[in-house]
Amino acid sequence: EVQLVESGGDLVQPGGSLRLSCAASGFTLTNYSVNWVRQAPGKGLEWISYIDDSTYTIYYADSVKGRFSISTDNAKNSLYLRMNSLRAEDTAVYYCARVKVGWYALIDLWGQGTLVTVSS
Amino acid sequence: IQLTQSPSSLSAYVGDRVTITCRASQGISSFLAWYQQKPGKAPKLLIYAGSTLQSGVPSRFSGSGSGTDFTLTISSLQPEDFATYYCQQLNSYPLTFGGGTKVEIK
Repeated sequence: EVQLVESGGDLVQPGGSLRLSCAASGFTLTNYSVNWVRQAPGKGLEWISYIDDSTYTIYYADSVKGRFSISTDNAKNSLYLRMNSLRAEDTAVYYCARVKVGWYALIDLWGQGTLVTVSS
Repeated sequence: IQLTQSPSSLSAYVGDRVTITCRASQGISSFLAWYQQKPGKAPKLLIYAGSTLQSGVPSRFSGSGSGTDFTLTISSLQPEDFATYYCQQLNSYPLTFGGGTKVEIK
């Protein structure tokens, strides 16, 4: 089955760090560009990061630039998001999201999400 | 690129025709997608390139528009269509989404 499965979400204190993982199955993740998109409780969707291994391209939203880092592991067919200096406003469900082949930004597959709560 | 959706919520009966609009802050040709999201679930792609129906999506969903003004129409609302709908521009990064339209049962 073609799917993305996120993990690693947790309760963390402000200023803390966390690493989210996204495991792909049914396809080779590095053949696609991939995004992280988050959704704060009761709010809309916010894009936060993009990676395309084939062109060595990485983007970040201003809200996370300098604090978050996106990466992939070919051997594990997985995507990661390293989050440092976490703030209360980073509390959200984090989704990994695959871009449709041949497109720059069209998301055709989403994971189920993993919840990150930043609170003391 | 900012996307403004309207209305932010609406109430409708089963069988109603529903229209949601999305306005971009600058021209994006037809580089727009629509997603449906149900509570506790990930978004699901409905329409892309302004009007192309994603495989498996019922034909009661349709999209139109180009440039800055876009529309999502549900021709006859079904019980399973009660959800929140988001537009997303496909033109450039940073990716942006509209604020969402929650469709509720009247």
